[in-house]
Amino acid sequence: EAQVTQNPRYLITVTGKKLTVTCSQNMNHEYMSWYRQDPGLGLRQIYYSMNVEVTDKGDVPEGYKVSRKEKRNFPLILESPSPNQTSLYFCASREPGVNTEAFFGQGTRLTVV
Amino acid sequence: AQSVSQHNHHVILSEAASLELGCNYSYGGTVNLFWYVQYPGQHLQLLLKYFSGDPLVKGIKGFEAEFIKSKFSFNLRKPSVQWSDTAEYFCAVILTDSWGKLQFGAGTQVVVTP
Repeated sequence: EAQVTQNPRYLITVTGKKLTVTCSQNMNHEYMSWYRQDPGLGLRQIYYSMNVEVTDKGDVPEGYKVSRKEKRNFPLILESPSPNQTSLYFCASREPGVNTEAFFGQGTRLTVV
Repeated sequence: AQSVSQHNHHVILSEAASLELGCNYSYGGTVNLFWYVQYPGQHLQLLLKYFSGDPLVKGIKGFEAEFIKSKFSFNLRKPSVQWSDTAEYFCAVILTDSWGKLQFGAGTQVVVTP
């Protein structure tokens, strides 16, 4: 079954404690992205990757890092989380180009206290 | 700034009522358009998409959308909603002359009452 898998689904952490949210896709997609979803703001892109070792900032990259060492995995790293990073996070993957559908993970609800 | 605007943030309606959600974009170039739906506690799923051809596109679960190029709009419709249509709906746009960045609107929360 084609899917994008994120872990964990829920996470409560304290300010400053480094964390990683994993994302894995089994569709051999080249494009992967991370979004955060906040009420009234929709989904905003944090980082994206167009292929292995190719990553770039999205609209709201501050406080986040990513890596793309393998095609299937695209982890999101918060080196020093802060309360304003409390949000719902989604990973997505798709084929390259503009005529393609994005597939989303189940989401990770992060609370930073 | 280039953007995607969804006119209503919250919509409450009764079962069997008709639904129309507005979406406008401000990009000047050619775009591909999508509507995604997010049921409570779930991830986003594609409802329908428009790339070219007939501007009236039909999606899953009885939804349809009409692309009106002159109005930069891509409104979503369903003639008769069900309680199970309670969800958040997102309009999204890709500029065809870009690398393919998917730009989302703020979303519309739809609540259908029995």
